[in-house]
Amino acid sequence: GENVEQHPSTLSVQEGDSAVIKCTYSDSASNYFPWYKQELGKRPQLIIDIRSNVGEKKDQRIAVTLNKTAKHFSLHITETQPEDSAVYFCAASTGYGNKLVFGAGTILRVKS
Amino acid sequence: NAGVTQTPKFRVLKTGQSMTLLCAQDMNHEYMYWYRQDPGMGLRLIHYSVGEGTTAKGEVPDGYNVSRLKKQNFLLGLESAAPSQTSVYFCASSPGGRGLVGYTFGSGTRLTVV
Repeated sequence: GENVEQHPSTLSVQEGDSAVIKCTYSDSASNYFPWYKQELGKRPQLIIDIRSNVGEKKDQRIAVTLNKTAKHFSLHITETQPEDSAVYFCAASTGYGNKLVFGAGTILRVKS
Repeated sequence: NAGVTQTPKFRVLKTGQSMTLLCAQDMNHEYMYWYRQDPGMGLRLIHYSVGEGTTAKGEVPDGYNVSRLKKQNFLLGLESAAPSQTSVYFCASSPGGRGLVGYTFGSGTRLTVV
């Protein structure tokens, strides 16, 4: 089955700097890649997603890139702010039932 | 429009006790899921359903059962709770069909088995 690996497990950046989180997946049939943000004690919230027919997608300070050949995708956050501090999860879906396989998560700390 | 609602929010069980977690969605979504979240392990799929009356096993189904008698409800049962089932449980739903979209998650149930 699908396996998603996520790096790094923790990331500390200075406010205003950029943050990059990387994920790799194993199943070449995966075609949908969402990213979730989870604040302490809260539910995961979808922040951006990308489908396999697209290489890059942007939404204000957040962007996601996908390299299907290498089977990896990345989340880029620019001009980080303290409120970006949270746990971020990547995920991949192979289609049937839209089942998502999640990475282990990255704790992002933005220092002001 | 409440989205996805989970009950209860917290529960403490003794080893061997049983309980049912309820998930309800009001978005007319076809697909529903139960995940467990443990520190350092992300979210792992327990069971899922692609429509009323259907259920299927996910990655970690042992010790759990589910039912989807009504489209809007997805129940997760623990017949004989074990300490290894201490976790935060999230229910989620998605519209279904050919289009792939992100999930809407419930607020979670924190379960402790002692």
